[in-house]
Amino acid sequence: TQLLEQSPQFLSIQEGENLTVYCNSSSVFSSLQWYRQEPGEGPVLLVTVVTGGEVKKLKRLTFQFGDARKDSSLHITAAQPGDTGLYLCAGRNTNAGKSTFGDGTTLTVKP
Amino acid sequence: GAVVSQHPSWVICKSGTSVKIECRSLDFQATTMFWYRQFPKQSLMLMATSNEGSKATYEQGVEKDKFLINHASLTLSTLTVTSAHPEDSSFYICSASLGLSYEQYFGPGTRLTVT
Repeated sequence: TQLLEQSPQFLSIQEGENLTVYCNSSSVFSSLQWYRQEPGEGPVLLVTVVTGGEVKKLKRLTFQFGDARKDSSLHITAAQPGDTGLYLCAGRNTNAGKSTFGDGTTLTVKP
Repeated sequence: GAVVSQHPSWVICKSGTSVKIECRSLDFQATTMFWYRQFPKQSLMLMATSNEGSKATYEQGVEKDKFLINHASLTLSTLTVTSAHPEDSSFYICSASLGLSYEQYFGPGTRLTVT
């Protein structure tokens, strides 16, 4: 069974601060996705990383895939209240089809 | 693109009744659809994987006779919670994908409350 551990589980910061969320596994994944979910809504795909060592930027969000494709991180610069939500990482192997989800990180950005 | 809808968005039903939730891919053909359950402030728990035209594959611990899944077309999958009980109250989310090698796109979820 593949497991994905996310940390921290909860994070409460002030507007303007930076933060990093980690997603770690002992398993190798073909690709890894990051989602953001707001209360009462479905997760929204933010990014997919595929290549070991890959770095992708989405405005103030920077995503990195580990060299060995076992871990990933999400860094948010100058967090804003609109960044508040549940962040989920999900690892996927092509052969398996289904994704393994991390436990999620609940981020609260206070104005 | 890649829009997935769910209906209803919320439903309240009495214990013992059955409830059907629809998941539709609006602008692409979804060979594979997934059904998840989510408890407050927790991650997604995969219930089953369904491929168009074939029987769903259920995760361990999920009762297939209680959670009936039908994926009759490339744009529609349904989840029927049979003989619902209060412990079935939860947020149910579907996702759709072009196939096993492609990304999943999630629906907005359905809040089920069983009284």
